[in-house]
Amino acid sequence: DAKTTQPPSMDCAEGRAANLPCNHSTISGNEYVYWYRQIHSQGPQYIIHGLKNNETNEMASLIITEDRKSSTLILPHATLRDTAVYYCIVKEGGSYIPTFGRGTSLIVHP
Amino acid sequence: EAQVTQNPRYLITVTGKKLTVTCSQNMNHEYMSWYRQDPGLGLRQIYYSMNVEVTDKGDVPEGYKVSRKEKRNFPLILESPSPNQTSLYFCASSDHAENTEAFFGQGTRLTVV
Repeated sequence: DAKTTQPPSMDCAEGRAANLPCNHSTISGNEYVYWYRQIHSQGPQYIIHGLKNNETNEMASLIITEDRKSSTLILPHATLRDTAVYYCIVKEGGSYIPTFGRGTSLIVHP
Repeated sequence: EAQVTQNPRYLITVTGKKLTVTCSQNMNHEYMSWYRQDPGLGLRQIYYSMNVEVTDKGDVPEGYKVSRKEKRNFPLILESPSPNQTSLYFCASSDHAENTEAFFGQGTRLTVV
């Protein structure tokens, strides 16, 4: 599996967009980009995933660069409840159990 | 409701006293896994199972056992717990289908004294 690099921490004002970057320069053609988050010692929660195209769901948007070497998770209107550790994971398609790095600790402040 | 259920949520035990943490999923998933989470070390995989009677070691399997006798259950067994196994434990499951998500339990906080 390709390795990922994320900033250890970020902060964002409530109501503003939170843009969380992830570098995965060694990603291969059949590897998906997944995002999970973990809110204070709760079980990790799936957010979104994509292969090549940008994706959007009710929680977030995922922007993947054309060369697929990096991606950005966008929380369009961050709330205090979005304060969490966000994990970017790349993995081949097919069933899997994710392997986690250190993630980005996002703090949303009033 | 699709869920992964772990029990107990909190447990304090003494060194050497065998314990089992149960994990059950109601989604008919083939894949299940156990993680432990420690401050500064993140989530580390202990064991995983790709189907009934198929298990394999993860990154930190020492001191743990698992079994997968039926698809829905994947218990984590500590035969002789030690204080260095004090941690927050998570169970997860996922389907065999292409690019699906993993579901996690709410965690078991174990303290070994």
